[in-house]
Amino acid sequence: LAKTTQPISMDSYEGQEVNITCSHNNIATNDYITWYQQFPSQGPRFIIQGYKTKVTNEVASLFIPADRKSSTLSLPRVSLSDTAVYYCLVVKDSGGYQKVTFGTGTKLQVIP
Amino acid sequence: EPEVTQTPSHQVTQMGQEVILRCVPISNHLYFYWYRQILGQKVEFLVSFYNNEISEKSEIFDDQFSVERPDGSNFTLKIRSTKLEDSAMYFCASSEGELEAFFGQGTRLTVV
Repeated sequence: LAKTTQPISMDSYEGQEVNITCSHNNIATNDYITWYQQFPSQGPRFIIQGYKTKVTNEVASLFIPADRKSSTLSLPRVSLSDTAVYYCLVVKDSGGYQKVTFGTGTKLQVIP
Repeated sequence: EPEVTQTPSHQVTQMGQEVILRCVPISNHLYFYWYRQILGQKVEFLVSFYNNEISEKSEIFDDQFSVERPDGSNFTLKIRSTKLEDSAMYFCASSEGELEAFFGQGTRLTVV
């Protein structure tokens, strides 16, 4: 499974757009890029998933360049409640989350 | 919204004792997983379960660990003889496939 690398921490002011970039140089053809959010003492929560180009839902956008070796999670207008750890994962298109590894994640601190 | 339910939320046990952590995955999901997170560390994959058998397991999942789906709804993780280093948050998750995995709120296991 492809290893992911992302910044350990980021700070942002409330109302700002936050972009968290993840690199996954060894991504395979049948891998999806998936982002999760985790609050302290809670289970990870799915945010968004994509294969290529751009995906948007009510929570975030995910930008994936043509080579798919990196991806950027974009959170529009963050609030204090977005303070959490954000994980970038690479998930195969079959077999579900078998042996999926969570990296260290990016700890986002939103400042008032 | 469907959710994965875990019980108990907190379990304290003496070293050497057996513990069983319980989970009720989402009913129409096909894949079931256990992850653990030692305080302040990464979310680590333990085991995945598909079609009534273990499909993948990590190096952490040694002979002290076992999983079972005793009926159509429950999914359990048993640790036969707990060690101090088994103290962690244990998360159960389920998914239909490669898309969104739903995580439970976790069971905090404290081995004393």
